[in-house]
Amino acid sequence: QVQLVESGGGLVKPGGSLRLSCTVSGVTFSDYYMTWIRQAPGKGLEWVSYITGSGRTIYYADSVKGRFTISRDNAKNSLYLQMNSLRVEDTAVYFCARSLNYNNWFDPWGQGTLVTVSS
Amino acid sequence: DIQMTQSPSSVSASVGDRVTITCRASQGISSWLAWYQQKPGKAPKLLIYAASRLQSGVPSRFSGSGSGTDFTLTISSLQPEDFATYYCQRADSFPLTFGGGTKVEIK
Repeated sequence: QVQLVESGGGLVKPGGSLRLSCTVSGVTFSDYYMTWIRQAPGKGLEWVSYITGSGRTIYYADSVKGRFTISRDNAKNSLYLQMNSLRVEDTAVYFCARSLNYNNWFDPWGQGTLVTVSS
Repeated sequence: DIQMTQSPSSVSASVGDRVTITCRASQGISSWLAWYQQKPGKAPKLLIYAASRLQSGVPSRFSGSGSGTDFTLTISSLQPEDFATYYCQRADSFPLTFGGGTKVEIK
């Protein structure tokens, strides 16, 4: 049974930084492409970033490019999202999710971790 | 970027009703489309991928159709556990984008 567990969310001031983690169990982590998707309070889903199994190919949404960095440590079965220069509009629940069959649809997802950017 | 537009934004229906949700892409995406279900306070769950393929474990009352720019998610007989918000997502290339969501509410 695949399980994804996010951590690292919290309250941070505008301009601050935060690092999210997603620990994956139940599968060979390095085989899977992974993604981060966020959801602002009461809003819809917004894709954030994507990384292949080796980490060699990475994509970002324009809204976070240059501020966020996705990475992974396959030895630790972990996915990361380093978030710098945070803005109020980055406030959201951040979900990690696994790519299904190396395509760009995702299952399963973690439970999410809340990031609040506020002064 | 390709935009995904869902309609309606909300629908009121009764148990046993047939419910249809549509998703339109601003450009053709072939069959590169997924549908998700999200219940309040929970993570989304993949229902349909490749426009019409049912994800393992998803009840057969859910079905998807369409290709190119126009897609449909159908719930053939609405069950109490189906009241939720549904999202479509383009999956052909980056940036990936989601539709705005359709909330299925109890009538």
